[in-house]
Amino acid sequence: DAMVIQNPRYQVTQFGKPVTLSCSQTLNHNVMYWYQQKSSQAPKLLFHYYDKDFNNEADTPDNFQSRRPNTSFCFLDIRSPGLGDAAMYLCATSRGLAGGSQETQYFGPGTRLLVL
Amino acid sequence: RKEVEQDPGPFNVPEGATVAFNCTYSNSASQSFFWYRQDCRKEPKLLMSVYSSGNEDGRFTAQLNRASQYISLLIRDSKLSDSATYLCVVNPWSNTPLVFGKGTRLSVIA
Repeated sequence: DAMVIQNPRYQVTQFGKPVTLSCSQTLNHNVMYWYQQKSSQAPKLLFHYYDKDFNNEADTPDNFQSRRPNTSFCFLDIRSPGLGDAAMYLCATSRGLAGGSQETQYFGPGTRLLVL
Repeated sequence: RKEVEQDPGPFNVPEGATVAFNCTYSNSASQSFFWYRQDCRKEPKLLMSVYSSGNEDGRFTAQLNRASQYISLLIRDSKLSDSATYLCVVNPWSNTPLVFGKGTRLSVIA
């Protein structure tokens, strides 16, 4: 009864070779988030979707793109991975209720990306 | 000043000890507050929300001081299984992304 699923759990790619990470959810939540987390650092928000509305963080590099074809799925595309993009990528969801201030985020297990 | 600040630790405590973590936040209009737990190489998981009146869940007590803009987490009778990183998380406004602290690492030693 997994709620937020990320595949694959480990991804190895080559420097400059495009890679796509996937996330799916069975919670029917409106909001989906992508975070990047490096060792001993806080999760860093890259972008999020509120339903179909895409919200990019100001400091997210152009190299990172996202797609949300439907409520359940969200993808993170890294167009030309660099060595510095090696990290854990976490997908999360929340309900996105109107006026909801006590919103809990549910995280997937993450995809650990290695760039060779 | 960083949005959410925590002492990174590590806190190394013996089993049975009581340990407290503090966290400060910069946005005085912040709406809600949480403690998440993250095990090594795993995803963050919600430990507890933090309410204005303070709240307790078993061995864990969370408190919020809005005037001083800090949040605390107290763990009593520490267990080996409490070893993890504890992330202080703040929601600045309704339906805005959460802001995470870097986390405080706890190691409970037998």
